[in-house]
Amino acid sequence: DTEVTQTPKHLVMGMTNKKSLKCEQHMGHRAMYWYKQKAKKPPELMFVYSYEKLSINESVPSRFSPECPNSSLLNLHLHALQPEDSALYLCASSPGTAKSKNIQYFGAGTRLSVL
Amino acid sequence: DAKTTQPNSMESNEEEPVHLPCNHSTISGTDYIHWYRQLPSQGPEYVIHGLTSNVNNRMASLAIAEDRKSSTLILHRATLRDAAVYYCILRAVLVTGTASKLTFGTGTRLQVTL
Repeated sequence: DTEVTQTPKHLVMGMTNKKSLKCEQHMGHRAMYWYKQKAKKPPELMFVYSYEKLSINESVPSRFSPECPNSSLLNLHLHALQPEDSALYLCASSPGTAKSKNIQYFGAGTRLSVL
Repeated sequence: DAKTTQPNSMESNEEEPVHLPCNHSTISGTDYIHWYRQLPSQGPEYVIHGLTSNVNNRMASLAIAEDRKSSTLILHRATLRDAAVYYCILRAVLVTGTASKLTFGTGTRLQVTL
């Protein structure tokens, strides 16, 4: 099983709403990632978790709050978003070992629209 | 982070080989060269990676210049299903030694026609 599952596939939310994106993998990977991708642009790294601890926060605004409750799950909590936050949010995972073959496996993403 | 430069778009006829170039003149000795592709409405997908030597797998081949300042992804026989954005990425292992950081460039949009 080389699958990263993201839910929901689509999400529409108002600027005052609180919502969460969910990501799950059962490959035993110990590193998990959130990326943001605007239309016709490349993915941009937001957060990196390594062994359930936040390793990297790429200066992401606090209205995005990541959480890694266990090694298989990664959440992204959203609060008070702006319309410019509308994008495809991608989750990825990788084995998390210091080997050359540290491939990242991506989910299909959650397409978020903020009204 | 070291940067990569790729053509914005390329076209190929089906069943023909495709050579996708990538320049990475500021690559460091520890950077691996990774290629990912993103099909429409999907997340990126790993294609191939290498450090110094040329590499082959079931999807593609990777040719790396001797000075490592450029590389070429080779699809031996393009099909319509290969139409995607192809990203050449230099992967640097984070200082923690575990998670890896991928910095995507703008990529090459490959169109495949009959």
